[in-house]
Amino acid sequence: GQSLEQPSEVTAVEGAIVQINCTYQTSGFYGLSWYQQHDGGAPTFLSYNGLDGLEETGRFSSFLSRSDSYGYLLLQELQMKDSASYFCAVRDQGNKLIFGTGTLLAVQP
Amino acid sequence: EAGVTQFPSHSVIEKGQTVTLRCDPISGHDNLYWYRRVMGKEIKFLLHFVKESKQDESGMPNNRFLAERTGGTYSTLKVQPAELEDSGVYFCASSPSSYEQYFGPGTRLTVT
Repeated sequence: GQSLEQPSEVTAVEGAIVQINCTYQTSGFYGLSWYQQHDGGAPTFLSYNGLDGLEETGRFSSFLSRSDSYGYLLLQELQMKDSASYFCAVRDQGNKLIFGTGTLLAVQP
Repeated sequence: EAGVTQFPSHSVIEKGQTVTLRCDPISGHDNLYWYRRVMGKEIKFLLHFVKESKQDESGMPNNRFLAERTGGTYSTLKVQPAELEDSGVYFCASSPSSYEQYFGPGTRLTVT
């Protein structure tokens, strides 16, 4: 089967750094994406790793280790508006996405 | 640039009825995807169009679901007849030719 595991919930305070982990087991793998979703709205693309290593985009960074089938999303200088659900998603053949169950991040003042 | 739009935003129908969901992708995006999130579960792939052709429909749950993409522009997803387990949020996403997909706000379908 195909599975992506993420923590269900994470809580952090404003200004802090938080890391959301994702381990995957899929039949195909072309890369790992991260999406943000506020209140069940449209998932928004955050970051993508096609190769091992760290990708940085502003306050967000994402890391991938293909040998470990593992990745993480790092959010720095947390803001209240970062409270949302975060999904890792494996890019499979044809660019279709296989999503994890999502991590609900709560940022507290 | 306008984003991906979906219509309706909400739909409540009775079991056995038919519902048609519509998705308008970002202009110029050849790739169009449908996904579904059932309550408490992960977002799951349904199918993928490249222009007007179905590239991959491996995620379609059964033959009660029919997707079309007229002229390679907008797409419709019809559920006929609807069952209780079809309730969920249906997302459409479009993409040029890269890994980045742009999602619409979704259609929340409730089958009673």
